[in-house]
Amino acid sequence: GAVVSQHPSRVICKSGTSVKIECRSLDFQATTMFWYRQFPKQSLMLMATSNEGSKATYEQGVEKDKFLINHASLTLSTLTVTSAHPEDSSFYICSARGPGGAGNTIYFGEGSWLTVV
Amino acid sequence: GENVEQHPSTLSVQEGDSAVIKCTYSDSASNYFPWYKQELGKRPQLIIDIRSNVGEKKDQRIAVTLNKTAKHFSLHITETQPEDSAVYFCAASMKGSTLGRLYFGRGTQLTVWP
Repeated sequence: GAVVSQHPSRVICKSGTSVKIECRSLDFQATTMFWYRQFPKQSLMLMATSNEGSKATYEQGVEKDKFLINHASLTLSTLTVTSAHPEDSSFYICSARGPGGAGNTIYFGEGSWLTVV
Repeated sequence: GENVEQHPSTLSVQEGDSAVIKCTYSDSASNYFPWYKQELGKRPQLIIDIRSNVGEKKDQRIAVTLNKTAKHFSLHITETQPEDSAVYFCAASMKGSTLGRLYFGRGTQLTVWP
């Protein structure tokens, strides 16, 4: 089946630095990918919709200048957390709809644990 | 936008018993309802899904029912096993241009006691 790969799986960064997380669709093209954030014992909250070749669409309350999203190709979307702070520590996970259009399964990446110290 | 409510937040059952998790949604335009199982620190795994043109779907010990009129859907797990212990999320997806956008419930922590 379709595979979505996310990297890195775990990252620790110092407060004030930036960190980039990659989301790749390995065997299919994804014009749209989604970025979620999940705090411990909470649900997945959609942060933004990543659109290939155009600007991302951010959910209300998500700072677009802090969470930079780039979807430069049909198989890669990146999320950059800029000027990270300890409160940004969370599990970040991406998803994409599998090939074939609206009827197909949504696939998740493995997720990335971000710890800001 | 869509609002998905999920109950209960925690559920404990004895091995072999059944478990039922219920969700409601707010937007009648939603037409796809997946259920995910998530173990700590891992990606959500799709366990079953249902579309709005179907009322019930079953896959071995897992079944999902959908009532479009009432806007609610439920997950049923029979003959539960300790390895079923995890967090379960329901979700809804709407028709429209943004294909693949999921609205999640808050999750249910299921614990199956041996």
